[in-house]
Amino acid sequence: EVQLLDSGGDLVQPGGSLRLSCAASGFTFSNYAMSWVRQAPGKGLEWVSGIRGSGSTTYYADSVKGRFTISRDNSKNTLYLQMNSLRAEDTAIYYCAIGIQGINDWGQGTLVTVSS
Amino acid sequence: QSALTQPASVSGSPGQSITISCTGTNSDVGGYDYVSWYQQHPDKAPKLIIYDVNTRPSGVSNRFSGSKSGNTASLTISGLQAEDEADYYCSSYSTSSTLEIFGGGTKLAVL
Repeated sequence: EVQLLDSGGDLVQPGGSLRLSCAASGFTFSNYAMSWVRQAPGKGLEWVSGIRGSGSTTYYADSVKGRFTISRDNSKNTLYLQMNSLRAEDTAIYYCAIGIQGINDWGQGTLVTVSS
Repeated sequence: QSALTQPASVSGSPGQSITISCTGTNSDVGGYDYVSWYQQHPDKAPKLIIYDVNTRPSGVSNRFSGSKSGNTASLTISGLQAEDEADYYCSSYSTSSTLEIFGGGTKLAVL
């Protein structure tokens, strides 16, 4: 059974940093691209970032480019999102997900709140 | 990159059919057959119901169907049921600087 366990969400001040993790199991992690998708409270879905299975290629939404870094450790079956220079508008539930298009498997989400 | 355009809300009665539109540009919806649709119930993670414009994942009811014409993709739900009441999002591959973009979402009410 595929499992994605998101963690790392917290309350952080504007300008601060946070690292999210996603522990994957039940599939061959290194064979799949992965994404982070977020949803602000009461708002729609926003694709944030993606990474190919090897980790060699990464992609970012314009809204986070230069501030967020996606990475993966295939030896640990873990996906990461390093978030720097956080802003109030980054407040959202962040979902780890398998794939970039046609995402069939999602984590449970982890809440990031950016507020002073 | 702006989100794909969806109606904010649609409604229908049990047993009826409804269609939700998703309008983009030649750089996303119109240029590629990589449109997906997701259903999201309150406080739940999204669920994939259509990918590659018109393909249903295993286990998804055949009451859900997808299509595309030009820069607009559509999701049709036939034989509406109470449990179909949810938010629906389209997404598409994009050649803009953002690789994948979502629509703003459509709230479906089953009256």
